[in-house]
Amino acid sequence: GDSVTQMEGPVTLSEEAFLTINCTYTATGYPSLFWYVQYPGEGLQLLLKATKADDKGSNKGFEATYRKETTSFHLEKGSVQVSDSAVYFCALSRQRAGRRALTFGSGTRLQVQP
Amino acid sequence: DAMVIQNPRYQVTQFGKPVTLSCSQTLNHNVMYWYQQKSSQAPKLLFHYYDKDFNNEADTPDNFQSRRPNTSFCFLDIRSPGLGDAAMYLCATSRGHNEQFFGPGTRLTVL
Repeated sequence: GDSVTQMEGPVTLSEEAFLTINCTYTATGYPSLFWYVQYPGEGLQLLLKATKADDKGSNKGFEATYRKETTSFHLEKGSVQVSDSAVYFCALSRQRAGRRALTFGSGTRLQVQP
Repeated sequence: DAMVIQNPRYQVTQFGKPVTLSCSQTLNHNVMYWYQQKSSQAPKLLFHYYDKDFNNEADTPDNFQSRRPNTSFCFLDIRSPGLGDAAMYLCATSRGHNEQFFGPGTRLTVL
């Protein structure tokens, strides 16, 4: 079945450091890929997405490129801020049995220190 | 602003006492989902409504039920909550098979 694997956290960085959160997936066909962010006590917010191979999703300084050859969708940001502290979920979406379901990774907690 | 609203944000219930969680949306999306998220885990899909059609996940316990009286509202009913049902419950919506928009969640405590 479909699965998403994320690097374990917490990831602790100093402000303005470079961020990479690794995400790899297993799925047949051509899934869409997403990064969601969850701030403390809140629901999930869509951060960025990519729907086909080599697409780059970007938002708020975050980027991720859909790499079909390595089945990866790593999240990057050049300079993190304290306000980026949150849990980040990688997810895939694939049409199956007439519906499209989201499969989430286990989440990676990011802590940014001033 | 168009949004997904969940009430209440925090719900406390007693072991075995039925509880209902509410979700409403102003996005006019035709698909509504309920997820369970336990501490430090990924959200797990319980079921979803595609228009009026109810779609249950194979491993969702019978203890969990859902109602969708109209396009805007969807309810999650837990008939006899156990201690293991304490979690954050997330509602999400989408237009067809497009991206999902999540509400802020309801944190359920079972005493």
